[in-house]
Amino acid sequence: DQQVKQNSPSLSVQEGRISILNCDYTNSMFDYFLWYKKYPAEGPTFLISISSIKDKNEDGRFTVFLNKSAKHLSLHIVPSQPGDSAVYFCAASPYTGTASKLTFGTGTRLQVTL
Amino acid sequence: NAGVTQTPKFQVLKTGQSMTLQCAQDMNHEYMSWYRQDPGMGLRLIHYSVGAGITDQGEVPNGYNVSRSTTEDFPLRLLSAAPSQTSVYFCASSYLVARAPRGTGELFFGEGSRLTVL
Repeated sequence: DQQVKQNSPSLSVQEGRISILNCDYTNSMFDYFLWYKKYPAEGPTFLISISSIKDKNEDGRFTVFLNKSAKHLSLHIVPSQPGDSAVYFCAASPYTGTASKLTFGTGTRLQVTL
Repeated sequence: NAGVTQTPKFQVLKTGQSMTLQCAQDMNHEYMSWYRQDPGMGLRLIHYSVGAGITDQGEVPNGYNVSRSTTEDFPLRLLSAAPSQTSVYFCASSYLVARAPRGTGELFFGEGSRLTVL
């Protein structure tokens, strides 16, 4: 039973355009959501997070949107750059403001083309 | 700035052998955890610990043991390796409560340990 789902295994976007990565969750107890980026042969690195009391959080080129009623979040990258090419994982925690017991999605591979 | 250090990076085992994956962090994090990453499955939580002497099971604990005798170390033991345990293993740590200035409470991951069981 996949509680965090990323239905698009891959996404290709041109440099300079917007990348939109989507994530759905089923557990209404999730209270804190994070996005991680992973390059090959490296560990995942934290990108951005959002608490369930917010619907948007921005950090530079990265914005995360949360629609709690739809149990859906998305990551927007604007403008996309070749260095953004990586696998992106959505993750959720039942604990506010901490990454304890994170449940991860299956990941979306983003390729940013020139 | 060591962060989270995992050893070994690569290991090949035969079915039935045992081994320990080491994990150490130098950030004084209370929370430590082990994940495995398999194709099409994302990262799945094996075991976690909220402090020295305290461990608990995650989503896929069978076949693995952990202990937390110090804040810094959280080894993962495979008791009798099976081919189904072929995977990439990640150790990760974080504060239990988000701390200033960033306050995001995110997990910090090690570089991973690739294990193959023949």
